[in-house]
Amino acid sequence: ELKVEQNPLFLSMQEGKNYTIYCNYSTTSDRLYWYRQDPGKSLESLFVLLSNGAVKQEGRLMASLDTKARLSTLHITAAVHDLSATYFCAVDGHIKHDFYNTDKLIFGTGTRLQVFP
Amino acid sequence: EAQVTQNPRYLITVTGKKLTVTCSQNMNHEYMSWYRQDPGLGLRQIYYSMNVEVTDKGDVPEGYKVSRKEKRNFPLILESPSPNQTSLYFCASSPRPRGTDTQYFGPGTRLTVL
Repeated sequence: ELKVEQNPLFLSMQEGKNYTIYCNYSTTSDRLYWYRQDPGKSLESLFVLLSNGAVKQEGRLMASLDTKARLSTLHITAAVHDLSATYFCAVDGHIKHDFYNTDKLIFGTGTRLQVFP
Repeated sequence: EAQVTQNPRYLITVTGKKLTVTCSQNMNHEYMSWYRQDPGLGLRQIYYSMNVEVTDKGDVPEGYKVSRKEKRNFPLILESPSPNQTSLYFCASSPRPRGTDTQYFGPGTRLTVL
């Protein structure tokens, strides 16, 4: 069974500081997603990482994937208050049926990030 | 505007009273899915559908039913709701089940079962 673990679960950080959120998963997968959820809102896609060594950056966020270590990181550079949200990683859990294949996303428990002045 | 819509957004009901949460997408996506979100548990998949008339169980299907009679709609049915189904529910869609597709999430439905 594919399991996805994130740590830390809660992160309170000061503006301007750097930090990394970790996402470990238990079995082979070649696709990993990062989502952001603002309080009371839906999930918004941040990154899709498709292969070993993939790195993507958007603003102050950078995500990377190491499929051999089954680890993805989301690095926050010089945090600002607007980054306060819950961040989820999700991994493709491939399903083989008799006549078709499909994938489902297995989500981590999320990391709640709070950035304070 | 490309979007996934859910209705209702908020619902308070009583144990045993059948309810349906609707989900509709206007992006002609093949894949649709329902998740529930509970504190400390992240999102867990309830049911998914690869296309019209093709549905399958996710991780937590007990107590739920779905149907996919049209490509755009994927309603979630609770035949006899119980308090342990109090949760935040999200519908999502993606163009295809595999590939580089990201899932697009609806706004969520907060359900309370008394």
